[in-house]
Amino acid sequence: NAGVTQTPKFQVLKTGQSMTLQCAQDMNHEYMSWYRQDPGMGLRLIHYSVGAGITDQGEVPNGYNVSRSTTEDFPLRLLSAAPSQTSVYFCATGRGARVRLISYNSPLHFGNGTRLTVT
Amino acid sequence: EDQVTQSPEALRLQEGESSSLNCSYTVSGLRGLFWYRQDPGKGPEFLFTLYSAGEEKEKERLKATLTKKESFLHITAPKPEDSATYLCAVHGGNNRKLIWGLGTSLAVNP
Repeated sequence: NAGVTQTPKFQVLKTGQSMTLQCAQDMNHEYMSWYRQDPGMGLRLIHYSVGAGITDQGEVPNGYNVSRSTTEDFPLRLLSAAPSQTSVYFCATGRGARVRLISYNSPLHFGNGTRLTVT
Repeated sequence: EDQVTQSPEALRLQEGESSSLNCSYTVSGLRGLFWYRQDPGKGPEFLFTLYSAGEEKEKERLKATLTKKESFLHITAPKPEDSATYLCAVHGGNNRKLIWGLGTSLAVNP
């Protein structure tokens, strides 16, 4: 039981390049989300999904795309990387999501993050 | 504005020296307050959920309490392995969002 698996662990991109951060979970959680963590800013929600085929924007969605074709996977795409996207990215999952409403009665389970540097 | 503030930003303790971390919030319609522990290079790890004022939860040397305005994470006789950043998050507010504090970085010296 791996929980939440993120790949890669580290990535360096040049400005303008695109890439996909992978997130896979084996806990059968409905809710999946992407956060970025920056010093002095804390955790900020980028995008989230309450089930396959359903995604929505979080607090800082610009420059990122997501899709959810299966329960297990929730990739995050950077369309054209910018230095402002240098950050640590975390995928988090949770139980009990309902359509368009998030039930937080269950805790979030986080992956170990992807450290992205954009030069 | 919905806000979660954690204090202190950093705390250094000697092994065995008990203390408390604070999470104060101005969030309407509290639906839950969460404590997480984050080790360097890792994702946050869930510790506790508190739902209503007066509620308390315990796990080993940690005890979390909740009032209508704040939560405390009490650490009794800490050990070096308790060193980590402790994050507080509150679910509530007009948009029913999860609002995160910036964390308290705890260092316990042997």
